[in-house]
Amino acid sequence: EDKVVQSPLSLVVHEGDTVTLNCSYEVTNFRSLLWYKQEKKAPTFLFMLTSSGIEKKSGRLSSILDKKELFSILNITATQTGDSAVYLCAVEEGTSGSRLTFGEGTQLTVNP
Amino acid sequence: DAGVTQSPTHLIKTRGQQVTLRCSPKSGHDTVSWYQQALGQGPQFIFQYYEEEERQRGNFPDRFSGHQFPNYSSELNVNALLLGDSALYLCASSFFVGTGFGTEAFFGQGTRLTVV
Repeated sequence: EDKVVQSPLSLVVHEGDTVTLNCSYEVTNFRSLLWYKQEKKAPTFLFMLTSSGIEKKSGRLSSILDKKELFSILNITATQTGDSAVYLCAVEEGTSGSRLTFGEGTQLTVNP
Repeated sequence: DAGVTQSPTHLIKTRGQQVTLRCSPKSGHDTVSWYQQALGQGPQFIFQYYEEEERQRGNFPDRFSGHQFPNYSSELNVNALLLGDSALYLCASSFFVGTGFGTEAFFGQGTRLTVV
């Protein structure tokens, strides 16, 4: 059975800190790994990492994928209160479809 | 671009009743997936529709059924509601580019279903 494990489950930091969120996975037919930010309801797409794109960066956020060790990290530098959210890691698998298996998420709280 | 839209945003139903949730995908997308998210948990895959057919299904009972229309919009139906069906139901849309490629999936705001 496909499995995605995120750590830590919750994290409290001060503005300006750098955080690293972890995601490990076991999946039969790996296609990609995705990171989402969920503040209220809709998870917002951040990054997709595949075999051909194992490192992504956008502003203060960056992510890498290690396909050999089966994990990914999401880094956020110079955190702001607006970064407070649940960060979800999902693995896409499938030979005929594109179902996502999600981890439990990391609740990040950034205090001023 | 309106993005992925879902309706209704909130719904309260009684045990045993039936419910229909609706989703319009992002413009240009042809694939719709449905997820159930319980409080404090990650979303769980229910099923996926492509070309009006159910392409993949997660570990959910037959009480959960769906449909995709020619315009790619989709419905999720749940029969014989149980208290445990109370959750946030999320719709995600994507464009199928081929089995060898990753798929960027975009989510709607969700429907909060409460079963009493």
